[in-house]
Amino acid sequence: DAMVIQNPRYQVTQFGKPVTLSCSQTLNHNVMYWYQQKSSQAPKLLFHYYDKDFNNEADTPDNFQSRRPNTSFCFLDIRSPGLGDAAMYLCATTTTGVSNQPQHFGDGTRLSIL
Amino acid sequence: DAKTTQPNSMESNEEEPVHLPCNHSTISGTDYIHWYRQLPSQGPEYVIHGLTSNVNNRMASLAIAEDRKSSTLILHRATLRDAAVYYCILRIGNDKIIFGKGTRLHILP
Repeated sequence: DAMVIQNPRYQVTQFGKPVTLSCSQTLNHNVMYWYQQKSSQAPKLLFHYYDKDFNNEADTPDNFQSRRPNTSFCFLDIRSPGLGDAAMYLCATTTTGVSNQPQHFGDGTRLSIL
Repeated sequence: DAKTTQPNSMESNEEEPVHLPCNHSTISGTDYIHWYRQLPSQGPEYVIHGLTSNVNNRMASLAIAEDRKSSTLILHRATLRDAAVYYCILRIGNDKIIFGKGTRLHILP
């Protein structure tokens, strides 16, 4: 059963055209993360939510924004995608209710920029 | 952030045990050692974690050195489906995960 679902698996957009990637979870976890993974590199954390509290990584470009309208859904908005933003975008969740809980990842959305 | 060092890549034969090393000489007393793996075209997957004692689960075993400055992930009988990038990560409680470069494991049939 898929627990962290990312749609679509593949997304193509044009240079400079805003794009939104979505993530949903059935785990009722209070923490949700967005990572960027470029080819042959490790995932890089962009930002995360503790409940509704947004936490941005210091080096995340302003071009990247996020929304979390409720516990189950989280969105990644790229306002003006550049060629360098082509990557796999991964969503993950965890709960802080119990210590040392693992993160659960979706299978990602691969974003291509034309 | 405490750092980990892993070999870039390793090879193993199918159906043989695999020992994946990780050095974390700057580990603090509250850092847990976590392992994740990432199969091709998939998101990372939790494998195992531990603090001081060796740990076993259905996927793997984790052997932690007595001084905690290194650890080894053990896959007891590798299959082709174990070919992946394996990440060793230090984590405090439910804090965020910072991925290092990981070890790419190749399994030879």
